[in-house]
Amino acid sequence: SQTIHQWPATLVQPVGSPLSLECTVEGTSNPNLYWYRQAAGRGLQLLFYSVGIGQISSEVPQNLSASRPQDRQFILSSKKLLLSDSGFYLCAWRRAGLEQYFGPGTRLTVT
Amino acid sequence: QKEVEQNSGPLSVPEGAIASLNCTYSDRGSQSFFWYRQYSGKSPELIMFIYSNGDKEDGRFTAQLNKASQYVSLLIRDSQPSDSATYLCAVNIVADKLIFGTGTRLQVFP
Repeated sequence: SQTIHQWPATLVQPVGSPLSLECTVEGTSNPNLYWYRQAAGRGLQLLFYSVGIGQISSEVPQNLSASRPQDRQFILSSKKLLLSDSGFYLCAWRRAGLEQYFGPGTRLTVT
Repeated sequence: QKEVEQNSGPLSVPEGAIASLNCTYSDRGSQSFFWYRQYSGKSPELIMFIYSNGDKEDGRFTAQLNKASQYVSLLIRDSQPSDSATYLCAVNIVADKLIFGTGTRLQVFP
């Protein structure tokens, strides 16, 4: 069966600091991978998605970036965090069907 | 801009009743529809998906789709307090992307 991991689970970072969030998927190959952000009281916002190694599509222009260095690894980064970057960051994957499955998420608080 | 609309709630129902959650979408070309359940502080969990007009049943859950009216709903029969959560409707707009509604909060009281 497939499993998706995210770490860290929670993170508190000062404004202007860098960010690196990691997502890995087990039990499947060549998945589509997604990064979403869910701000408090708001819906899920698609940030990036990837259909393969090194292939990244950005949905929202901002100070975040994503990379996919390996087939089942997806990384979300920032060089300098803003207060508005606070939120619940969710990684998701899909394989054959259109349904997406979410990881446990990383709760980021920028202070 | 393609949108998915849900009533934010809360929708309060007594234990044992049927909870009816509704979702409308703007893109007539959408073909696939999903319901996720999200407990407070947790990530969304897929509970149902539906691709064809009509009803799809899975245990206590029934998804209903009416593409002509651009309407999808989720019925939860015999609601339990453990069903209390936020329910997210998601719609596929192109092959690789879903748009999510902001969710309906369901409260099931004993």
